[in-house]
Amino acid sequence: QLQLQESGPGLVKPSETLSLTCTVSGDSINGTTYYWAWIRQAPGKGLEWIGHIYYSGGTYYSPSLRSRVTVSVDTSHNHFSLRLSSVTASDTAVYYCARRRGYYSNFDYWGQGTLVTVSS
Amino acid sequence: SYVLTQPPSASVAPGQTATITCVGNNVGSKSVQWYQQKPGQAPVAVVYDDVARPSGIPERFSGSNSGNTATLAISRVDAGDEAIYYCQVWDPSRDQVVFGGGTKLTVL
Repeated sequence: QLQLQESGPGLVKPSETLSLTCTVSGDSINGTTYYWAWIRQAPGKGLEWIGHIYYSGGTYYSPSLRSRVTVSVDTSHNHFSLRLSSVTASDTAVYYCARRRGYYSNFDYWGQGTLVTVSS
Repeated sequence: SYVLTQPPSASVAPGQTATITCVGNNVGSKSVQWYQQKPGQAPVAVVYDDVARPSGIPERFSGSNSGNTATLAISRVDAGDEAIYYCQVWDPSRDQVVFGGGTKLTVL
């Protein structure tokens, strides 16, 4: 059974960089049809796609976050990561990592989510 | 950018059928995904690729997609179906994932 687990600081100061890692267990991240994604949810709000990456490194980012986001993959450690720079209070959210089944398809496995608060 | 519009809320009596709509320009030409999210939990896929059900999802959950409207139907609703439901598509013209705003389903 595939499992995803987010990890990283729960508190980040304004203007700093948010960094999270998603560790994948139960299968290799090298699956040729899968994309590895980050999605967030601000308190009381809906889901917002941040971006995703193919195992070979091709990336797709939300236009509204593209200038601040980097998603990377480490196949040797079977994990992928999110970096979001110059954070503000509006970046406070639960951050989920997820697996996307294919180019047009859905997110079939999700991590439990991790709350990141931006505050001084 | 592409927009998916869902009603903020819907309500249904136990045992009845709930229908949740997701409206987008020519959404029928796209593959629509549906997720259920209960409080404090991660979303769970309940319908994928317009009409398919993931393993473990009851047959009570069904999807359809045509024209400008995709629909999630939940038959024989019970209290355990209370949740927020989100639709989602991939917009290939802009290479981006789009989520609807979510519909909170209340079982009366």
